[in-house]
Order: sequence, then structure tokens, then C-alpha cells
Amino acid sequence: EMLMTQSPATLSVSPGERATLSCRASQSVHSNLAWYQQKPGQAPRLLIYGASTRATGIPARFSGSGSGTEFTLTISGLQSEDFAVYYCQHYNNWPPMYTFGQGTKLEIK
Amino acid sequence: QVQLEESGGGVVQPGSSLRLSCAASGFTFSRYGMHWVRQAPGKGLEWVAVIWYDGNYKHYADSVKGRFIISRDNSKNTLYLQMNSLRAEDTAVYYCARDVGVGHLDYWGQGTLVTVSS
Repeated sequence: EMLMTQSPATLSVSPGERATLSCRASQSVHSNLAWYQQKPGQAPRLLIYGASTRATGIPARFSGSGSGTEFTLTISGLQSEDFAVYYCQHYNNWPPMYTFGQGTKLEIK
Repeated sequence: QVQLEESGGGVVQPGSSLRLSCAASGFTFSRYGMHWVRQAPGKGLEWVAVIWYDGNYKHYADSVKGRFIISRDNSKNTLYLQMNSLRAEDTAVYYCARDVGVGHLDYWGQGTLVTVSS
């Protein structure tokens, strides 16, 4: 069973600063890793896929890195609209496996 | 533009059934795999099920296997989730989402709330 563990559970950062969110897989997922942002009352939004490729329309201040079991989402120059919950997801179509992390809440310090 | 709209949620008793629908528009529905993902109140995202573009392959989370059935009607651009033997722990917002092709989800609906309670 694949487990995706995100840390920290809550991260407090000031606007304009940099936020670093982590995601660890229980076994190698290669680069099959996506990041999503979810704001209260809204559906998740795809930010990053392939561990480091920004989805369409995602600002350059969002960047992803890592491979294997350790991944990072970095948000530089935090803006007010970036405070939200972030989820990582491992995906693999064959054998089918789609596992979300438990989320990191990014809050205003 | 791509739109996904879920419907069919509501309040049901434990042991009952419910069918969710997801109407797709703005893209060629028959070319994409589709997923259901749920979120219990105040909790994180939980993947539920996937169906390939042609409906020939389906896969389920262990938590719903044998109780839920995912299906699609490409002629109607609609995805379904038949939920049987519902339990309290199935209470959640259910989202449908489009699979880009390798498993990550680029468009999501706004979700429909299913509440299982006596």
C-alpha cells in the first residue's frame, strides 16, 4: 500500500515570504507526483504534475521538485490568495494507483 | 471551456443507494479517463474510482470496492457513480475529475454532497 505523508500539517508564513511544503512517499513514485491547491468551499486545482511541471495558468512563484520518495512544493513571494490547503498525489495508471497525502494547511502568520 | 457538473447528492439512510452524475462539456469526453474523488467534512481528499476513456477498465478504492460502480455514457457526455450499501463513513462531497492521461487530474467539478444518516 502506498502512503503519501505531507509535512507539516500546518505551516504559518508571512505574505511575501517563501513557503516550503513536503511530501514523502512510502516507496518510489518516480516523478508521478502532482500538487493541488484547495480553498474553502472550492474544488481542488491542479498546480504541478510530473513533480515539477506547472499546470496551465499557474504562476511561476509555484515550483515543484523532487523524485523517488521526497518531493517539495515551494511558493515564493506568498500572496494572500495562496493561503489554502495543499495536497500531493501519487498517480499511476498501470498498475492503477492514485493516493493523496493528508494535506498541508498554509496559513497567514 | 471545460466544465464538469455533479448532481445527485442528498441525504440517505444507511444501507440505501444513490446514483451520482457528472455532466461534462467543453471537451471531447470520450477521449479522457474520469475519476471520482471524495472529501469527508473537514477531512482530506480520498480517491474513489477511475474509469478509462472507453469504459473498458475500472478500478476502485478498497473502501468502496463491491459497493460502488463507476460507469459512463460517452453518447451523453456523462459519468456516473452508483453507490450501494451506503454507510455513515461514505458521507462526503463527491467530485468528478478529468484525467489528463497519466493519472493527474486537471479539471474538477464543484462537487455534490452525500450525507448518510439515520
